[in-house]
Amino acid sequence: KQEVTQIPAALSVPEGENLVLNCSFTDSAIYNLQWFRQDPGKGLTSLLLIQSSQREQTSGRLNASLDKSSGRSTLYIAASQPGDSATYLCAVLHQAGTALIFGKGTTLSVSS
Amino acid sequence: EAGVAQSPRYKIIEKRQSVAFWCNPISGHATLYWYQQILGQGPKLLIQFQNNGVVDDSQLPKDRFSAERLKGVDSTLKIQPAKLEDSAVYLCASKIRTGDSPLHFGNGTRLTVT
Repeated sequence: KQEVTQIPAALSVPEGENLVLNCSFTDSAIYNLQWFRQDPGKGLTSLLLIQSSQREQTSGRLNASLDKSSGRSTLYIAASQPGDSATYLCAVLHQAGTALIFGKGTTLSVSS
Repeated sequence: EAGVAQSPRYKIIEKRQSVAFWCNPISGHATLYWYQQILGQGPKLLIQFQNNGVVDDSQLPKDRFSAERLKGVDSTLKIQPAKLEDSAVYLCASKIRTGDSPLHFGNGTRLTVT
């Protein structure tokens, strides 16, 4: 059974810092991995999707890497801003046509 | 493009009552999911539809939960009777097809069972 773990559960940083969020999964036979952002009281917004054959994806200040063999992904946020404060969720798609399996998320707080 | 629409945004009911949630996915999206997100947890799949057919409902508590997607567009999720542990946010999500296309979420319905 696929399990997704995110560390740390919460993180507080001052504005301007670069930071890394970690995600690990137990079954490396994944189809893809997706990072989401969730603001309080809102649904999830897709940030980055990495196919199993890819090593990383970039969007603006965000960079996500994938090491399928070790069952790990990281989300790197450069030059953090207060507007980045949210919960970040990692999810894996085990097989095409099935549903995403989510971690519990990392709640990020960026202070000005 | 319009996003995934859900209603109501909030619902408070007493235990043993029934409740229904509605979802309108993005136009043209064949795949629709209902997820349950308990406070402090990641979303957990309840049911997955492909058009109007059920793909996966293995984690749906079928003694009290039911869902349908008539005509392969809108979907409703019902709970009858509700229990205290059903208090959660119910998220609807859709994507254009199965496989590697991105998943789009609605804002969810926050259910409180007292």
